[in-house]
Amino acid sequence: QLMESGGGLVKPGGSLRLSCVASGFSLNGYSMNWVRQAPGQGLEWVSSISTGSSYIYYADSVRGRFTVSRDNAVNSLYLQMNSLRAEDTAVYFCARDARGSGPFDQWGQGTLVSVS
Amino acid sequence: QSVLTQPPSTSGTPGQRVSISCSGSTSNIGANNVCWYQQLPGMAPKLLIYGNDQRPSGVPDRFSGSKSGTSVSLAISGLRSEDEADYYCASWDDSLSGWVFGGGTKVTVL
Repeated sequence: QLMESGGGLVKPGGSLRLSCVASGFSLNGYSMNWVRQAPGQGLEWVSSISTGSSYIYYADSVRGRFTVSRDNAVNSLYLQMNSLRAEDTAVYFCARDARGSGPFDQWGQGTLVSVS
Repeated sequence: QSVLTQPPSTSGTPGQRVSISCSGSTSNIGANNVCWYQQLPGMAPKLLIYGNDQRPSGVPDRFSGSKSGTSVSLAISGLRSEDEADYYCASWDDSLSGWVFGGGTKVTVL
């Protein structure tokens, strides 16, 4: 199971840190991802991080503003979001990558980030 | 504008077969496996198909996937009311070095 937290209302230009805690499995065996969904819109991949944090990828829309990290010791994934914009308003899901090359086989319920 | 192109909606009556297309390019679908996700209203996405045509355990065999070149399709046979949801295709894109999703297709059971 994956559980996100840290969402909320923030002003444009502000910062927020999302967390995702895994239970029932060890996070250090899996690459992890953040995927977001703006209100009434489709899914948009945000970032991926490999098991040992050696490989990190970002969508162009967030590169330079968001930072993904993980702490395998506490089974947690993080997303530090800076310089937030109105268009970052979305539900943010964390998702487990089953094999390091997809698919995303487990998803959290999401946490809502509102920038206004 | 999504990198992968899906029709915004489709519909069918119970028992019918519906198909959803997803079109990409040589840098994503043409080069990598594709997954399909089902998102019921108000819920998180759920993995439906992986590796173009493989079903995770627990997914009914009414759902099937296929791939040809730079396009994939998801078919739902014996349509049921509980299949009413949004469906997304996804693939790794070698040029973008990131995952890309289709815009989603809303399936309505009439």
